[in-house]
Amino acid sequence: QVQLVESGGGLVKPGGSLRLSCTTSGFTFSQFYMAWIRQVPGKGLEWLSFISSSGSTRKYAASVAGRFTISRDSARNSLFLDMNGLTVEDTAVYYCVRDRHYRDSRMFDSWGQGTLVTVSS
Amino acid sequence: DIQMTQSPSSLSASVGDTVTITCQASQDVSVFLNWYQQKPGKAPKLLIYDVFNLHTGVPSRFSGRGSGTNFTFTISSLQPDDFATYYCQHYDHLPPGFAFGPGTRVDI
Repeated sequence: QVQLVESGGGLVKPGGSLRLSCTTSGFTFSQFYMAWIRQVPGKGLEWLSFISSSGSTRKYAASVAGRFTISRDSARNSLFLDMNGLTVEDTAVYYCVRDRHYRDSRMFDSWGQGTLVTVSS
Repeated sequence: DIQMTQSPSSLSASVGDTVTITCQASQDVSVFLNWYQQKPGKAPKLLIYDVFNLHTGVPSRFSGRGSGTNFTFTISSLQPDDFATYYCQHYDHLPPGFAFGPGTRVDI
């Protein structure tokens, strides 16, 4: 079955950097768009970024553009999120998500369990 | 940017009840509207895509309808496993973008 496993979360100081990883299995990774979505504890969901199946297209939410970089390694079936210039507002659970396209439809159909990033001095 | 609102923000219901949640978009979003379920401490799960299409394995007691700016999500005959928070989500193709509603918590 489809599995997405995030890692790399933890405690980081304001202004610091962190790299999140997502290891996938159970599907042909190279054929799917992938995305990162975050959730402040007790709050709602915020889409952050997606990357196309080939890696040639990347889009970011305004809140993270210029600070976060999404990338993928199809040889390792892995997705990454490099986060720089972190602020306390970036404290959240970060989800790795499969961004499925079906004809004209688009949906987040598989989610990892999430990794908590805490930005605090 | 398109903004999504949901009502109510929370509701209390009993097993066997029919529950309806409303999602409203600030602009016409056509049929590009999905619904997710999230239980405490767990990742969200896709339930419905493009307004009314059930994702694989989702029970038929879940349904959705609407178009344009107004959408509804209904759970018929609420089951104990259905107590959770539900989010609507809009997506755009050109340019690509995504917006989630603030969520509706369904409590016992």
